[in-house]
Amino acid sequence: DTEVTQTPKHLVMGMTNKKSLKCEQHMGHRAMYWYKQKAKKPPELMFVYSYEKLSINESVPSRFSPECPNSSLLNLHLHALQPEDSALYLCASSQDPGWGYTFGSGTRLTVV
Amino acid sequence: QKEVEQDPGPLSVPEGAIVSLNCTYSNSAFQYFMWYRQYSRKGPELLMYTYSSGNKEDGRFTAQVDKSSKYISLFIRDSQPSDSATYLCAMSANTGNQFYFGTGTSLTVIP
Repeated sequence: DTEVTQTPKHLVMGMTNKKSLKCEQHMGHRAMYWYKQKAKKPPELMFVYSYEKLSINESVPSRFSPECPNSSLLNLHLHALQPEDSALYLCASSQDPGWGYTFGSGTRLTVV
Repeated sequence: QKEVEQDPGPLSVPEGAIVSLNCTYSNSAFQYFMWYRQYSRKGPELLMYTYSSGNKEDGRFTAQVDKSSKYISLFIRDSQPSDSATYLCAMSANTGNQFYFGTGTSLTVIP
C-alpha cells in the first residue's frame, strides 16, 4: 500500500459544527503532516507529528485540534470554524521527518 | 523576501515540446529539493527528490540543482497533454525540518 487515504473527500459544515478529518497510511511512515491549501496557493504547513508526537504547530488557531491515535492514523478535529477556513486540507506522510512526502488527495472543506 | 520564488505562469506549450520549470531560493542552507505535480482538485504527487547539487533523471523528467546559483529546474521532455498540471517545488535545510514550497507553475500542454 503506497497511499495516504483521506476521508471525507468533501465536507460542508456550519460555523457551530464539530467535525473531524481523517488520514490513514500503511507505509510504515513515522512522520505525518497536516497542510492547508487555498486555491492557486502552495500548501501551508499546519502540524507535524513525528513518531506519534506533535513536533511542529505552525501557530494554528485552537479551533483546529490534531490527534495521532497511532502510527498509521492522523485526525484533525474542527470546531467553530470561520468561512475563511474553507480550503483543501491535505494530509501527508514521510518515512522520517523531512524526507519526501506522500500526499493524500485532500478533504475539500467549505464552512458556511 | 520569500524563501522560495517560483514563476506562477501560466505556461502553455505544444505537445512534444521540452518544458523548463524553475525555482530560486534565498537560504543557502537548503540541500533537499523536491518537485511535485498537482492536478486540479487533487493532492500533490511527488515527482523528484534530490539532495545537494547535480542532476537526477527519471523517464521524461530531469531535475537539476545548482546550489551556487540557488536555482533548481525541472525539465520535461516530449511533453504530453497529461502533463498539464501545476508544478510545485519544495526545499528544506535538513531532514527533520519542514519543506518550503514555491507558489507553483501552471502548465498546459496543447495537443
